[in-house]
Amino acid sequence: ELKVEQNPLFLSMQEGKNYTIYCNYSTTSDRLYWYRQDPGKSLESLFVLLSNGAVKQEGRLMASLDTKARLSTLHITAAVHDLSATYFCAVDPGSGYALNFGKGTSLLVTP
Amino acid sequence: EAGVAQSPRYKIIEKRQSVAFWCNPISGHATLYWYQQILGQGPKLLIQFQNNGVVDDSQLPKDRFSAERLKGVDSTLKIQPAKLEDSAVYLCASSFSAGGVYNEQFFGPGTRLTVL
Repeated sequence: ELKVEQNPLFLSMQEGKNYTIYCNYSTTSDRLYWYRQDPGKSLESLFVLLSNGAVKQEGRLMASLDTKARLSTLHITAAVHDLSATYFCAVDPGSGYALNFGKGTSLLVTP
Repeated sequence: EAGVAQSPRYKIIEKRQSVAFWCNPISGHATLYWYQQILGQGPKLLIQFQNNGVVDDSQLPKDRFSAERLKGVDSTLKIQPAKLEDSAVYLCASSFSAGGVYNEQFFGPGTRLTVL
C-alpha cells in the first residue's frame, strides 16, 4: 500500500517568513500533485510534477520532486495571509489508479 | 470550460436513512472518482470509473455504499443505510484519462453530508 506522509500537519507562520512543507511517500512514483483547499471549499490544483528533478513555481510557492528520495517539497517564500489554507500532496501510483493523498498541512499565516 | 458539478451541496439525514449524490464530470473526461473526505483528513478514494466500468472499488463499503456511472458520463453515489461515521464531504473528481500525463484530477465542490 502506498503511504503518503506530510509534515508538518499544522503550521503557523508570520507574514514575510519562509517555510517548507515536506511530502514523503513509500513506493516508486514519478508523478506528484499539490492541491490547495480553502475552508469549506474543494481542492484546487496547484502543481503537477511529472519527473525526477521537476521544479514548478507560482508566485510565492515553489514545488519540487526528488523521486529517488521519494520526497516532494512545497516551499513558501515571504508568506502572506492569502496563503492560509490546507495543502495536500497526492502521489500517482501509476497503472491508471487514483491518487493517494497525504493528510494535508494546515497553514495559518499571521501578521 | 465548465468544471465538475455536484449536487446537492449539503445534506442532513438521520442514521439509517438513505442518501444519493450526483456528479457530472468535465466534458470528455473518461475517468471519474468518488472520494470521501473526513474532517481533518485527506481525500480517500471510494470508487474509480473508467468510462462506465469500475477500475477500483476496493475501499467502498459495499454493504451500504453503491455507485454507478451510466453511459460513461454522470455518476451517482448512494449510501443506504447511513451511519454516523459517514458524515464527511463527498468529492467527485474527473480526469481526461487514468495514467499517462493526463491523470491530473479536477475536483467538484463536494457534498457535505451530516448524519444525525
